[in-house]
Amino acid sequence: AQTVTQSQPEMSVQEAETVTLSCTYDTSESDYYLFWYKQPPSRQMILVIRQEAYKQQNATENRFSVNFQKAAKSFSLKISDSQLGDAAMYFCAYRSAGGSNYKLTFGKGTLLTVNP
Amino acid sequence: NAGVTQTPKFRVLKTGQSMTLLCAQDMNHEYMYWYRQDPGMGLRLIHYSVGEGTTAKGEVPDGYNVSRLKKQNFLLGLESAAPSQTSVYFCASRKPLGTKNTGELFFGEGSRLTVL
Repeated sequence: AQTVTQSQPEMSVQEAETVTLSCTYDTSESDYYLFWYKQPPSRQMILVIRQEAYKQQNATENRFSVNFQKAAKSFSLKISDSQLGDAAMYFCAYRSAGGSNYKLTFGKGTLLTVNP
Repeated sequence: NAGVTQTPKFRVLKTGQSMTLLCAQDMNHEYMYWYRQDPGMGLRLIHYSVGEGTTAKGEVPDGYNVSRLKKQNFLLGLESAAPSQTSVYFCASRKPLGTKNTGELFFGEGSRLTVL
């Protein structure tokens, strides 16, 4: 079974600075998808960014980018120019592209605090 | 533009009582899911459905039942609530099969359930 590990329960960053959240995963599959979701205090789950494993190019969405290292099974999220609104719980998630692709497996989350 | 709607948003139960959480989506999604979120545990899959009339167990199905009588609705039932079921419950849905699909889940706003 696939597992997703977020080794940083909490992180903090100064406003306008850059922070990187770590995520590693364990899988024997070669084709899959990875996601970062954001959960602000409102509780709503918001998709931040997605990465397809067959794509070598790292995904970017405005101030959010990933460092996808397939061989190392690592998928970190970099937030540049951090803003107060970035404060949230961040979840890394994995989905197979194969036969068991019904399920999204989540890490336990990293709580990000942004200091003014 | 409702997306995924969960009712109720909050509920307090006594041990042994029963209740049903309703999830409704208006995006014609085939796949629907129920997750629970507990502090330090991330999101764990309870049950899921790959289409109308079908359901299957996830990681933590014990104590819950589900039904998918209509494509747009996915019900989560607790027959005899226990304090261990105190949690925030999220419903999610995914795009239909056959379309270009990276597996992004669309989430409801969550339902906070407290069992005394």
